[in-house]
Amino acid sequence: NAGVMQNPRHLVRRRGQEARLRCSPMKGHSHVYWYRQLPEEGLKFMVYLQKENIIDESGMPKERFSAEFPKEGPSILRIQQVVRGDSAAYFCASSPITGRGSVSGELFFGEGSRLTVL
Amino acid sequence: AQTVTQSQPEMSVQEAETVTLSCTYDTSESDYYLFWYKQPPSRQMILVIRQEAYKQQNATENRFSVNFQKAAKSFSLKISDSQLGDAAMYFCAYAQRGDMRFGAGTRLTVKP
Repeated sequence: NAGVMQNPRHLVRRRGQEARLRCSPMKGHSHVYWYRQLPEEGLKFMVYLQKENIIDESGMPKERFSAEFPKEGPSILRIQQVVRGDSAAYFCASSPITGRGSVSGELFFGEGSRLTVL
Repeated sequence: AQTVTQSQPEMSVQEAETVTLSCTYDTSESDYYLFWYKQPPSRQMILVIRQEAYKQQNATENRFSVNFQKAAKSFSLKISDSQLGDAAMYFCAYAQRGDMRFGAGTRLTVKP
């Protein structure tokens, strides 16, 4: 069973370009989370999605950032018109639904995508 | 919103000794999960140990154990017989209904 897959692992963009980060959750997982980690800092929650539904986007910047998790295919974190302050590692995590129908506490993390904005 | 506080930005331990990393959290909920994750230089997030709030017994995983004080909202991690491979960033995390929040992390150095 493959783990959470993120790509690209490294992405370089110039200011003003768009960045797209992809995340395929573990097989059988229907919940995806995106976190951002700035250098020497902890992980900051950005957004929590189920298939075709955004559950909580309270950590997403109001402008330029968007996320989706379509019925088919990976989850996408999109950053438009990138600025140098967007340079960070972006982690995706997924979780299953427990037999009781509630979301299990544990998250399974991908290896992250490092975005560098020149 | 729930907050997680790790008051020790850096800790150091001698190889084979024991070290305790502190974590406190703030919540009004009674049913939640607590975790310690390890992040080595590879940046991979590795689950170290997990505690369910409704369980009074402290979780243990080999050399790793926790001291869970629910009333005090404290969740410390004890690493026994420290090894060089334990050197990493350690993040405490709180999760409830799929919402996981992390502390700022503690950088652990292991001295040979």
